[in-house]
Amino acid sequence: DSGVTQTPKHLITATGQRVTLRCSPRSGDLSVYWYQQSLDQGLQFLIQYYNGEERAKGNILERFSAQQFPDLHSELNLSSLELGDSALYFCASSVGLGLETQYFGPGTRLLVL
Amino acid sequence: GESVGLHLPTLSVQEGDNSIINCAYSNSASDYFIWYKQESGKGPQFIIDIRSNMDKRQGQRVTVLLNKTVKHLSLQIAATQPGDSAVYFCAENSNYQLIWGAGTKLIIKP
Repeated sequence: DSGVTQTPKHLITATGQRVTLRCSPRSGDLSVYWYQQSLDQGLQFLIQYYNGEERAKGNILERFSAQQFPDLHSELNLSSLELGDSALYFCASSVGLGLETQYFGPGTRLLVL
Repeated sequence: GESVGLHLPTLSVQEGDNSIINCAYSNSASDYFIWYKQESGKGPQFIIDIRSNMDKRQGQRVTVLLNKTVKHLSLQIAATQPGDSAVYFCAENSNYQLIWGAGTKLIIKP
């Protein structure tokens, strides 16, 4: 158990809909990262927040957005969903800005029908 | 080493043999490297890391080798066991971001 929690575990929705994925980092970690992993592919970095502020952006679509709240939990919002958005979404956390190990949550499996 | 492609490279190893998983990284200025293991249906799990001022680091049954000259990283797993079956990712820290490799699927033959 990494100490990072993600909810929900599974999500099934329809195209055009909007969903919110939630992540609670390890106690004491200030950075939260979001990744997308499609079937049999590597991890695609989406976005990083550090202590409530956006720190780095990767391959995140404009339909997607995220935020980190004062209690350091984070939410990833996916809107106007398409079939191709079906994937595993992982959240990770680390103590500082990124020059250290990231600890991953169990992921949210999103299926868009 | 960006994550690309539809199919992961696969390495098949006999149980009990040593496994060597290779990774080429992209930025010669990267100063921190990590290996992660991802079992089916789970999130990636930290295995071992190495900083650029070292060329070798050993853990329990695992060794990471860093060759900065050719920008190459390898993970050696001794006496491979069925529980080692997973996808292994290398990652380099470049400008405070982790750049992930494509991953290698390790299959253990009984």
